[in-house]
Amino acid sequence: DAEITQSPRHKITETGRQVTLACHQTWNHNNMFWYRQDLGHGLRLIHYSYGVQDTNKGEVSDGYSVSRSNTEDLPLTLESAASSQTSVYFCASSALAGGIGTGELFFGEGSRLTVL
Amino acid sequence: QKEVEQDPGPLSVPEGAIVSLNCTYSNSAFQYFMWYRQYSRKGPELLMYTYSSGNKEDGRFTAQVDKSSKYISLFIRDSQPSDSATYLCAMSHASYIPTFGRGTSLIVHP
Repeated sequence: DAEITQSPRHKITETGRQVTLACHQTWNHNNMFWYRQDLGHGLRLIHYSYGVQDTNKGEVSDGYSVSRSNTEDLPLTLESAASSQTSVYFCASSALAGGIGTGELFFGEGSRLTVL
Repeated sequence: QKEVEQDPGPLSVPEGAIVSLNCTYSNSAFQYFMWYRQYSRKGPELLMYTYSSGNKEDGRFTAQVDKSSKYISLFIRDSQPSDSATYLCAMSHASYIPTFGRGTSLIVHP
C-alpha cells in the first residue's frame, strides 16, 4: 500500500544545531506540505511544493527550509534550531493542489521535535 | 482575528449522544470545506468534504455548510468511544491550500 513516512518520529536536540526531518511518500503525489502543530495554534503551514524543484513559503517559514529533488521526498531543515521550534511536525501529500475531493491531504504520523 | 475559528474544547459527551462540532470563518472566498479526524499521536485523516453550501451525510456523520453565515458544522449521531479524537475543520479557495482550524478535542465516555 502507498504511504507517507516521516523520520525520526522523536528527536531531542540543542539550540543552534541543524536538524533535518525526512518525509517520504510512495503515492507518487506532486504536492507535498510541511505543517507544525502546537497547542492553541492548530496546524500551520511551513513550506509546500507542487513538484520537483518547486518550493514555496507558508505561514510560518522563518527558520525553516525545504528542497525537492525528486517526487518522493521533501526534507525539512531547521538551520539553527530554537526552543520556539519545539513542536510536532507533520508532512502531507496530495494529488491535486490543496487536496480537494479525491486529492485529499494524506498525512504522515508526525515527528516530535524538542529543542533544549 | 484568525481566518478560521474553532473552539478547542475539550467536549465531553456520553456514549450515544449527538455531537455538534462547529467552525466559523471570515474569508468569503472559501469554497471547499473539510473535516479531518486526528487520533492521539497520529496524523489527521480526511473524514468528510463539502463543496460550497449544503449538507453531506456519510453514515453517522453529517457535514453542513452555511456560507451566508460563514459557519460549518459536523454532526455525529450515536457517538461511540471510538469517536474520541480531535476534529479539525479545514477550508480552501482557488489557491487550494487549506487553512485549518485549531481542532476540537472530543471525548466520548462509555
